[in-house]
Amino acid sequence: DAGVIQSPRHEVTEMGQEVTLRCKPISGHDYLFWYRQTMMRGLELLIYFNNNVPIDDSGMPEDRFSAKMPNASFSTLKIQPSEPRDSAVYFCASRIRGLGYTFGSGTRLTVV
Amino acid sequence: GENVEQHPSTLSVQEGDSAVIKCTYSDSASNYFPWYKQELGKRPQLIIDIRSNVGEKKDQRIAVTLNKTAKHFSLHITETQPEDSAVYFCAAKPGGGADGLTFGKGTHLIIQP
Repeated sequence: DAGVIQSPRHEVTEMGQEVTLRCKPISGHDYLFWYRQTMMRGLELLIYFNNNVPIDDSGMPEDRFSAKMPNASFSTLKIQPSEPRDSAVYFCASRIRGLGYTFGSGTRLTVV
Repeated sequence: GENVEQHPSTLSVQEGDSAVIKCTYSDSASNYFPWYKQELGKRPQLIIDIRSNVGEKKDQRIAVTLNKTAKHFSLHITETQPEDSAVYFCAAKPGGGADGLTFGKGTHLIIQP
């Protein structure tokens, strides 16, 4: 299994631009999570899905953030418009009930 | 919501010595407690976990203990090696059907040769 796959690995964008981060969970995993990691705030849960349905988005910081999971093998996290304070590493993770959480390699986002 | 406190933020030990990292959690319904190791620029990787119906779990040089009454759990690494140098995160998963991990702020473990 290739694990959780995220793209792109690095993204540099200008303030005000739209950013889309992508995630492919491990096949068969029915939970998908988006986390953000910064030095100041550590690892924060943004949103999670179960069977493609958003369950808890209370961690999404603002309306500028949105996430979708159109099918069991793909999810996106979109920021529109992006701001410098959105700069962070964004991790996607997946799991199946009874097992632990597996993280992707992350997307390092820099908004200038 | 859940709150996880982790101490210390930095821990330096001599190679071969033991290291202990401690965490407390606030939600008594939390039922799953994993530990992750993160090397610089890499993803967090699960190294050991424990469920609320177990008090201790060991895997070679790594062990985790859980005290549900006091709501704290600890990671123990024995016979530390240079490759153990990394940032370690504790986490807690809520009970009651909710999901998603709440993480501690991390411990930077430095193994001195």
